Parts: sequence; structure tokens; C-alpha cells
Amino acid sequence: QKEVEQDPGPLSVPEGAIVSLNCTYSNSAFQYFMWYRQYSRKGPELLMYTYSSGNKEDGRFTAQVDKSSKYISLFIRDSQPSDSATYLCAILGGTSYGKLTFGQGTILTVHP
Amino acid sequence: EADIYQTPRYLVIGTGKKITLECSQTMGHDKMYWYQQDPGMELHLIHYSYGVNSTEKGDLSSESTVSRIRTEHFPLTLESARPSHTSQYLCASSEYGGTYEQYFGPGTRLTVT
Repeated sequence: QKEVEQDPGPLSVPEGAIVSLNCTYSNSAFQYFMWYRQYSRKGPELLMYTYSSGNKEDGRFTAQVDKSSKYISLFIRDSQPSDSATYLCAILGGTSYGKLTFGQGTILTVHP
Repeated sequence: EADIYQTPRYLVIGTGKKITLECSQTMGHDKMYWYQQDPGMELHLIHYSYGVNSTEKGDLSSESTVSRIRTEHFPLTLESARPSHTSQYLCASSEYGGTYEQYFGPGTRLTVT
């Protein structure tokens, strides 16, 4: 069993839709929860991170963590064509070297 | 935008050749990482470094080797490339502590024929 499982998608939505991206994890020692966005032919870039259960909002993006269920989500409101990318959840474990465990990514396409 | 650079961006090379993928960062980060990413698959950590003269193997076994002689430079070498090494290689760096954010380079797409 993988430590982090991500809904694989791909997702194709119309502009303006609300998008929900989801990951589950198995290790309760995981402490920090991140979402990275990766455009085609680019490296991933950090979109949001949180370390506690609950919601964290940044503009059109909301990261949600439920530690009791070991479930994390990213919501995108009013999705735009520029949001088209691969979204990767990444979780930081309890090691000293800052190991990130990544989900396999969800390809999102927002069409006008 | 993160100041982390990778060269070459694309490399097509024949089996048996020695290759070095370059990675440099100008942020003064102590920690650096190499990941391997295949299409539709998660990133797998293959090497990491805490600082100068520190290198460790990651979770995914790799025939590549790395060195860290300078803080800003973390090259990856394959002594004899094989078709199974065809993949995307991503370099990243992070500060010690802080938010644990890793900054990624644009990647090198390697094809071994």
C-alpha cells in the first residue's frame, strides 16, 4: 500500500467550476500537508501548505485537512483555464531531512 | 520564481554513455534533492544532501551517483546510461527547518536510446 494515494483523474471541467482534488495517507506521523502545482514542462511549485486539521484559504484555493480520517483536499473555486496543470499532494513525515512523500498527481484541464 | 537551474533541459543519448545532469541554486539552501518522475507517476526521491560533503540515497534505488562539493551545486551522474534510465529528473532545494518548502528546478528529460 502506498503511503499517499491521490485520486488519479484526469479531470476536465468548464471554466468557473468548483474543483475538488483529494488524497489519503496512511502514516499518522505525517505532520505537514502541501499541494504543489506543476505546469507542463516545468517543475512543481508550492501552492499551499498546512500543518493542522481544518481549512486554510488563499484566494480561490482552499486546503482542507482531516487528520482523523487521514484525508486532505484542495478546492479550487471559479476555476480558470490558467489553473490547467497537474496537482500533486505532498506530505512531510517525521524525519529530519524533510522527506516529502508525493501523490501521483491529478491532471486538471479547465476549458473555456 | 525559484532560483534553481537544471541543465540540460532535454537530453537524448545512446546506451553506455556517461552523463552528468547539472543542478544549481542561488538561494543558499543547505538541503538539496533529486527526484525521478515518470509520466502519471509520483515523484520518487533518489538522492538528497544536508550540505557540503553530505549525500544520502533516497527511497528509490538508483544507479546514479551525486556529489556536493559546493553548497549551490548538486550534480547527478550516470556512469553508463541504459534505456531503463529514461525519465524526468527533478532537482529541488530547501532551507533547513522553516516551512519545509522545496523549490524545484524545471527538470531534465532524459531519453536513453
